[in-house]
Amino acid sequence: EAQLLQSGGGKVQPGGSHRLSCAASGFTFNTYAMNWVRQAPGKGLEWVSGIGGSGYSADYADSVKGRFTISRDNSKNTVYLQMNNLRAEDTAMYYCARGIWFETWGQGTPLTVSS
Amino acid sequence: DIVMTQSPDSLAVSLGERATIYCKSSQTVLYSSNNKNYLAWYQQKPGQPPKLLFYWASIRESGVPDRFSGSGSGTDFTLTISSLQPEDVAVYYCQQYYITPYSFGQGTKLEIK
Repeated sequence: EAQLLQSGGGKVQPGGSHRLSCAASGFTFNTYAMNWVRQAPGKGLEWVSGIGGSGYSADYADSVKGRFTISRDNSKNTVYLQMNNLRAEDTAMYYCARGIWFETWGQGTPLTVSS
Repeated sequence: DIVMTQSPDSLAVSLGERATIYCKSSQTVLYSSNNKNYLAWYQQKPGQPPKLLFYWASIRESGVPDRFSGSGSGTDFTLTISSLQPEDVAVYYCQQYYITPYSFGQGTKLEIK
């Protein structure tokens, strides 16, 4: 059974940095694109970033472009989201999700950006 | 960017009755070379991550009850629950994966009348 286990949530000050991790199991990791999706409190879903199976192609929402970097380590079956220059509006529950349609989701990890 | 618009924003339906949620994309998500609609539907219950219901607009994910159906093509799509059950209370989202940035509808909150 495919599973995604997230870690790394927390509270960060505005302008700070933070990294989220998502460890995969139960499927051939390097054959799937991986994505990050976030949900601000009480709001809808927003796609943040995605990366191809090989790790060579990545894309970002305009709201995070230049501040966030997605990466993956296929030897560790893990995808990461490095977040820099964080803003209050980045406060959200962050989910990792497998595939180009999001067939498997992590449990979510909360990030609060506040002083 | 493709904008996804759902209607209604909220919906109250009696148990056993039909619930219909609409999703409209600002441009086509039908890829002509393979005749596939790059459209997915998700269900999200409070405190849980979203759950995939349909992909390619109408392909039901394994384990999804057959009272759920997805239809539509091009820019107009529908999610139908034929006979509402208590466990169907949730927020439902459509999402296009035709082109990045991938985008979701704003969500439709489904409640029991």
